Amino acid sequence: DVKVTQSSRYLVKRTGEKVFLECVQDMDHENMFWYRQDPGLGLRLIYFSYDVKMKEKGDIPEGYSVSREKKERFSLILESASTNQTSMYLCASSSGPRTYGYTFGSGTRLTVV
Amino acid sequence: SQQGEEDPQALSIQEGENATMNCSYKTSINNLQWYRQNSGRGLVHLILIRSNEREKHSGRLRVTLDTSKKSSSLLITASRAADTASYFCATVSMFSGGYNKLIFGAGTRLAVHP
Repeated sequence: DVKVTQSSRYLVKRTGEKVFLECVQDMDHENMFWYRQDPGLGLRLIYFSYDVKMKEKGDIPEGYSVSREKKERFSLILESASTNQTSMYLCASSSGPRTYGYTFGSGTRLTVV
Repeated sequence: SQQGEEDPQALSIQEGENATMNCSYKTSINNLQWYRQNSGRGLVHLILIRSNEREKHSGRLRVTLDTSKKSSSLLITASRAADTASYFCATVSMFSGGYNKLIFGAGTRLAVHP
């Protein structure tokens, strides 16, 4: 069964901390994405990657960075966590040059206090 | 930016009834996809319909697409309590650099009561 695995289901961090959210997929997908989901705002794209060591900004990249050193792993980094980054974070992957169905991880609910 | 907008925002029905959710979008698309999300979990891909298709079926799901009206509908027939979830439509749009990306709507919350 194909999978996208996010390392933590729940995470509580303090303001100003550096936070790493990890995502691993076992489907050999080229494309990986990070979204955040907030009530009333739906899913918003933070960053995406179409290849190893490649990254592109999504709609709301401010305050975030990403790393993709290996094809299967895509990390989201909050350089200095703030309370407005409290959210549900969803990682997804897909294959091919065109966008077909995405496979999502179970999500990480991050609370910044 | 939200491309798809679902209607209604919330829907409450009894088991056995049909549930219909609608999605409108703004720009031309390559395909439109529907996803389901159980409370507090990730999204699950349900069905994809291409811009040159008008209707598609998968089990109890039926999706229609009207590109002239820039709208799609998802019909769940003979609903079950286990269908309780949020449902999202997502459209593929071109991103800068020639890459495609999915843009999601805010979703419809479906509650199916036993």
